[in-house]
Amino acid sequence: DQQVKQNSPSLSVQEGRISILNCDYTNSMFDYFLWYKKYPAEGPTFLISISSIKDKNEDGRFTVFLNKSAKHLSLHIVPSQPGDSAVYFCAANSGGSTLGRLYFGRGTQLTVWP
Amino acid sequence: GAVVSQHPSWVICKSGTSVKIECRSLDFQATTMFWYRQFPKQSLMLMATSNEGSKATYEQGVEKDKFLINHASLTLSTLTVTSAHPEDSSFYICSARRGGEKLFFGSGTQLSVL
Repeated sequence: DQQVKQNSPSLSVQEGRISILNCDYTNSMFDYFLWYKKYPAEGPTFLISISSIKDKNEDGRFTVFLNKSAKHLSLHIVPSQPGDSAVYFCAANSGGSTLGRLYFGRGTQLTVWP
Repeated sequence: GAVVSQHPSWVICKSGTSVKIECRSLDFQATTMFWYRQFPKQSLMLMATSNEGSKATYEQGVEKDKFLINHASLTLSTLTVTSAHPEDSSFYICSARRGGEKLFFGSGTQLSVL
């Protein structure tokens, strides 16, 4: 049972524009959400996170929005750069920021073209 | 950032043989490491949680006698796939937790069982 879903396997965006990656979850026990970025032949690296007590968290060009009532979060990248081209995974945790059993989405391949 | 080294990055073996995958945290001590498996076009699925000095905790449906996990030191966890079969062919990836709130991933191991 897929508790974290990323319904778009791929996204293509022009450099300088906004990239919006979406993620939905089903388990209301999730209280901490993370985005990871993965380049080919490398492991995922942490990008940004958000606690369920917030609805927005921003770090430079990256902003994550959380809509608890809709069980939906999104990652915004503004402006998008070619180096952002990677697979982005959404993950959810139920123990707050103490990471334990993470549930991952299937990932979205972002391609940023010049 | 912290570094987690995973070896080998890929392995091909004959059906019935055993394969060992190593996961090392190079610049921090990790009392807890996680092992994931990812089938094509699927999400990362947690297989087991490995705690230094104690038995691993396996997720439901993961055979502990088939996937042997050893976490004998604070910097090394190993996953041994015993009597591997073609259906075990998958991408295996480890992560090490630092300070409870950060996960650092290895680069993964692609296992192909002939």
